[in-house]
Amino acid sequence: DVKVTQSSRYLVKRTGEKVFLECVQDMDHENMFWYRQDPGLGLRLIYFSYDVKMKEKGDIPEGYSVSREKKERFSLILESASTNQTSMYLCASSFSRGYGYTFGSGTRLTVV
Amino acid sequence: SQQGEEDPQALSIQEGENATMNCSYKTSINNLQWYRQNSGRGLVHLILIRSNEREKHSGRLRVTLDTSKKSSSLLITASRAADTASYFCATDALPGGGNKLTFGTGTQLKVEL
Repeated sequence: DVKVTQSSRYLVKRTGEKVFLECVQDMDHENMFWYRQDPGLGLRLIYFSYDVKMKEKGDIPEGYSVSREKKERFSLILESASTNQTSMYLCASSFSRGYGYTFGSGTRLTVV
Repeated sequence: SQQGEEDPQALSIQEGENATMNCSYKTSINNLQWYRQNSGRGLVHLILIRSNEREKHSGRLRVTLDTSKKSSSLLITASRAADTASYFCATDALPGGGNKLTFGTGTQLKVEL
């Protein structure tokens, strides 16, 4: 069964910490995405990548960065975690335009 | 930026009834997709409809697309308790857009026994 795996289901971090959220897909997909989901706001795109070592900003990139050193892995980095980054983070991958996304199970991050 | 807006925000029906959810969007699209999310888990892709298609079926799901009105609907026929979930529409906008999807805020569907 094809999969997108997010390394943690729940995470609690302190304000100011550097946080790494890992996402791995086993489908040889070119495209990978990071979204955050907040009540009443739906899903908002943080960063995406169409190829290895390539990244593009989404709608809300401030306070985040990403890394894609290998095709299967796309990491989201919170440089200095803040309480307003408490959220559900969802990673997704896709074969190409015109194909649906496969999502991971999500990481619920709480910053205290 | 919010592209798709679902309506209603919440819907409660009895098992066996049909459920209809609507999505409106603002810009021209390459395609529109519907996803389901169970209880705060990851989203599951249900169906994709391209801008040159008007209707598509998949099992108990029927999706329509009206590009002149910039709207889509998702119909779930003969609903089951297991259909209880949040449903999201997502658009791949034109121009550009690539494979980047913009999601709406979702419809919470509750199917009661």
